[in-house]
Amino acid sequence: GQQLNQSPQSMFIQEGEDVSMNCTSSSIFNTWLWYKQDPGEGPVLLIALYKAGELTSNGRLTAQFGITRKDSFLNISASIPSDVGIYFCAGQLRSYGQNFVFGPGTRLSVLP
Amino acid sequence: NAGVTQTPKFQVLKTGQSMTLQCAQDMNHEYMSWYRQDPGMGLRLIHYSVGAGITDQGEVPNGYNVSRSTTEDFPLRLLSAAPSQTSVYFCASSSVSTEAFFGQGTRLTVV
Repeated sequence: GQQLNQSPQSMFIQEGEDVSMNCTSSSIFNTWLWYKQDPGEGPVLLIALYKAGELTSNGRLTAQFGITRKDSFLNISASIPSDVGIYFCAGQLRSYGQNFVFGPGTRLSVLP
Repeated sequence: NAGVTQTPKFQVLKTGQSMTLQCAQDMNHEYMSWYRQDPGMGLRLIHYSVGAGITDQGEVPNGYNVSRSTTEDFPLRLLSAAPSQTSVYFCASSSVSTEAFFGQGTRLTVV
């Protein structure tokens, strides 16, 4: 089936540092989504991207939809302790069925 | 607005037992899905539904059944639980114009 690759798998950063993670696929998607999952909770949407080349910000978060439509990246600026969690990218395969393919996640730890 | 509600939050089953994981949404979304989350593997689609009375298989459907008799509810049934079904299960709903909204998950252990 479709697969997404996320890198890095995990990262440890100091509070205040910037973070960058990305997601790649061998398939083209028409929508990219970035979710965050806190321990014991379901994933919550951070940013949605709908057009190739689109660059979207949400507070300290910035994400881009790659020109080739096969990749996306997420940046977090000036990290804070509550940024800890697992970040998932998701690509939407088609409108009908609303099927999303999820990456394996990037586990972020923020050290004080 | 409750969003997507899953019950139970935790469950322990013996091998061979059956059970139903419940999922309900109050956003009038057409699309509902079930995912399982295993360490290092992200979220894998089990079954999904594009509307009441319509269901289809996802990436890992074996061992699971679903039905969609109403727009609001999308239960997931395990007919004969196996240890390989130990996982965290998430239900999600969406519409054509929205992203997927997730429930809080059901942590299932099969012993």
